[in-house]
Amino acid sequence: AQSVTQLDSHVSVSEGTPVLLRCNYSSSYSPSLFWYVQHPNKGLQLLLKYTSAATLVKGINGFEAEFKKSETSFHLTKPSAHMSDAAEYFCVVRWNTGTASKLTFGTGTRLQVTL
Amino acid sequence: GAVVSQHPSRVICKSGTSVKIECRSLDFQATTMFWYRQFPKQSLMLMATSNEGSKATYEQGVEKDKFLINHASLTLSTLTVTSAHPEDSSFYICSARDSGAGETQYFGPGTRLLVL
Repeated sequence: AQSVTQLDSHVSVSEGTPVLLRCNYSSSYSPSLFWYVQHPNKGLQLLLKYTSAATLVKGINGFEAEFKKSETSFHLTKPSAHMSDAAEYFCVVRWNTGTASKLTFGTGTRLQVTL
Repeated sequence: GAVVSQHPSRVICKSGTSVKIECRSLDFQATTMFWYRQFPKQSLMLMATSNEGSKATYEQGVEKDKFLINHASLTLSTLTVTSAHPEDSSFYICSARDSGAGETQYFGPGTRLLVL
């Protein structure tokens, strides 16, 4: 069975310091992995995706994530946090079943950025 | 990037009435759309998969007669919450899969439903 675990429900960082949001997955097959961001009362925006190409994936707004098969991890990082990064972040795994591809969402990590 | 719209963005209705939510892919065709439900401070839960021209596939525990899904064209899917009750109040989010872009799913901005 496929699943995704976000290890931290809440992360707080100071503006200008690095961000690390952790994600581990469980999949019987080679997964496709995504990070989405959701600002309050907004829909989800795709930050980046891994689909079996380069293991280090660069996304929008300076975010990147590294797929580590040996650790079954796909942690999201950013060198320097900005106030506008405060939002909810979801790690997502895609698995295929029949004719449809379904997404399984992690429980989310709320990122707080302080001055 | 690809754009998905939802209408309305917010709706308040009385208990017992039905509410229709539209999901449109604006600049691509989507043979498959997905409907999710998100409770406050929780993750998204897939409700159903909507395929153009065929019946939707519902996840376990989702009442298909209560949450009617129609995917009549390659750019439009609708979710109708029938005989809504207060416990149906939630944030409903749709996504559309762009099969021409590595099957990435693009999400709509969501619809907040409040049933009084």
